[in-house]
Amino acid sequence: GAGVSQSPSNKVTEKGKDVELRCDPISGHTALYWYRQSLGQGLEFLIYFQGNSAPDKSGLPSDRFSAERTGGSVSTLTIQRTQQEDSAVYLCASSFGLGNTGELFFGEGSRLTVL
Amino acid sequence: DQQVKQNSPSLSVQEGRISILNCDYTNSMFDYFLWYKKYPAEGPTFLISISSIKDKNEDGRFTVFLNKSAKHLSLHIVPSQPGDSAVYFCAASLGNTPLVFGKGTRLSVIA
Repeated sequence: GAGVSQSPSNKVTEKGKDVELRCDPISGHTALYWYRQSLGQGLEFLIYFQGNSAPDKSGLPSDRFSAERTGGSVSTLTIQRTQQEDSAVYLCASSFGLGNTGELFFGEGSRLTVL
Repeated sequence: DQQVKQNSPSLSVQEGRISILNCDYTNSMFDYFLWYKKYPAEGPTFLISISSIKDKNEDGRFTVFLNKSAKHLSLHIVPSQPGDSAVYFCAASLGNTPLVFGKGTRLSVIA
C-alpha cells in the first residue's frame, strides 16, 4: 500500500496480558516513530528508529514497553503485562529521515483498550 | 513539562469566517513548526509548516504566523469550511529530534 499500515486497528485485552502492535511504514522511509494518544492528551512520543542506528527509547513510559524494527522496515511495539493506563491510540509514523522538515506520515492507529 | 501548548481545547466558528488556532512553546531552540490535522479514526496528516527564520507561510486558505519573541504561532483558516472540522495539532522540531506535539484543538465549523 501507499501509506503507513497499522494492525490491529482495535485491540481489547485484559489487564496483565501482553499485546503486540504492528506497523508497516511507507517503502523507502528510513525513519519510523511510535506515538500514543491517550484520552484528552496530545501525541506522546514513545520511540523512534532511524536506519541502522540505535533507537531513541527516551519516550517509553516503562520497561513494560519495547519495540523492534526488523530489516529496517516493519516495526512491532510490545506492551507486557498491560495496565488500564496503557489504553490509548498507538500511532506509527514514518518519514524519509530525521531533519527539521519534520513531515511525518501517520498510520490510522491501533486503539488499545485494557479492561 | 509541556514544551508545546495549545491552551484552547475547542473552537467553534461560523462557516465563511476566519478560524484562528493558537500554539505557544517554551523552547526557543525549536527551529521548525508544523500543523497537523486529524479526523476521527484517521491518523494525523500534515497541513502546513514554517521555519523559525520566517514569520509567515501561506498555502491557500491556510496561513501560519510565527512570533518568535512571544514564542507563539497561530494557524489562520479563511474562509472556514465545514470540512475543516477536525482536531488540529501544533508540533515543533529541534534539529534531528522527534516532533513534539501539543494536545490539539478541536475545530468545529458550523454551517
